[in-house]
Amino acid sequence: QKEVEQNSGPLSVPEGAIASLNCTYSDRGSQSFFWYRQYSGKSPELIMSIYSNGDKEDGRFTAQLNKASQYVSLLIRDSQPSDSATYLCAVNSGYSSASKIIFGSGTRLSIRP
Amino acid sequence: DTGVSQDPRHKITKRGQNVTFRCDPISEHNRLYWYRQTLGQGPEFLTYFQNEAQLEKSRLLSDRFSAERPKGSFSTLEIQRTEQGDSAMYLCASSSQGGGETQYFGPGTRLLVL
Repeated sequence: QKEVEQNSGPLSVPEGAIASLNCTYSDRGSQSFFWYRQYSGKSPELIMSIYSNGDKEDGRFTAQLNKASQYVSLLIRDSQPSDSATYLCAVNSGYSSASKIIFGSGTRLSIRP
Repeated sequence: DTGVSQDPRHKITKRGQNVTFRCDPISEHNRLYWYRQTLGQGPEFLTYFQNEAQLEKSRLLSDRFSAERPKGSFSTLEIQRTEQGDSAMYLCASSSQGGGETQYFGPGTRLLVL
């Protein structure tokens, strides 16, 4: 079982709709959760971090965390063509505040006009 | 506030040659991470420094790989006797202690081993 699992996609969403990206993780001790966006050929760019159960909103983005279900999601409202990218879910690997983060393989998102 | 920088951005080398990459973290960040990313995969952790101390190394980091951060500022990653399987994007990230562990990535060094 992979430590961080994501559907590889591609996920195709019409412009203006809500894109929903999901991620599950295996380490129950994980405390920090991140969503990165990566355009082709570029490095990952942080979109959101979340540390406690519930929702966290930042502009058009909402991260949701459910530690009991070991599940993290990212919602993108009013999807724009510029949102087309690969979205990487990342989870810190343990109790240490300086632990490495483990990435999923990413979900490719395509926003169609 | 300058971000994480990496040099070179691209490197083409022949199998068996040694290569060295440099990473300059965000200035106030004391933690520095190296990752490797291949096509279609997420970044894979290689190693991590807190100040000048190398605190963790992945099993992915074979004896041909070595990383240093001699003064707790910039870091170098050296690959000796490169193999075609080393072709990848090498990413550096940095974070600050107490900064919620948020890691900020540099632009990466893309390595192609012929």
